[in-house]
Amino acid sequence: QVQLVQSGPEVKKPGASVKLSCKASGYTFTNYFIHWVRQAPGQRLEWMAMINPRDGSTTYAQKFQDRVTLTRDTATSTVYMDLSSLRSEDTAVYNCAREARYNYGCQAFDYWGQGSLVSVSS
Amino acid sequence: DIQMTQSPSSLSASVGDRVTITCRASQSISLYLNWYQQKPGKVPNLLISAASSLQSGVPSRFSGSGSGTDFTLTISSLQPEDFARYYCQQTYSIPFTFGPGTQVDIK
Repeated sequence: QVQLVQSGPEVKKPGASVKLSCKASGYTFTNYFIHWVRQAPGQRLEWMAMINPRDGSTTYAQKFQDRVTLTRDTATSTVYMDLSSLRSEDTAVYNCAREARYNYGCQAFDYWGQGSLVSVSS
Repeated sequence: DIQMTQSPSSLSASVGDRVTITCRASQSISLYLNWYQQKPGKVPNLLISAASSLQSGVPSRFSGSGSGTDFTLTISSLQPEDFARYYCQQTYSIPFTFGPGTQVDIK
């Protein structure tokens, strides 16, 4: 069965960086894009970035362009998200999600990781 | 960025009620609209893709409609397990944005 298993919670100080992982299993890793979405307390879901595991190409939301980096390791079917210059507003649950294509080529997220809580506090 | 709004922000309903949630995009997104259900402490679950395509395993009491800028999610007969928060999402253009969610509570 398809699974996306994420790394555990992190506690960081402002200005630090965090690297989260998302390990995929149960399907061909290179056939599906992986996205990262975060949810801060009381806030809506926020799309951050995506990666094509086949060639490693990435697309980032402009809001995070300068601070986020996605990489992948095809040998272990793992995607990594590095977020730098953390501030308190980055406190959130970060989820990876697999993209699937539906009617008319519509993209949607059919499987999600369990989430990684990142807490940023001095 | 395409802005997504939802109404109402919350609603209270009884088991068996018909519930309709509206999602509006700030510009036309054709049919590139998805609906997710999220329960407390859980990740979002994809219910409907491409405005009206029901995901496998999702009960037929859920349905979606609309195109362009206006979309609706309808639950024809609310069941106890349907009490949750519902989000719309556009995947017409990056960044893929979500609505603020609609909380469906028990009356």
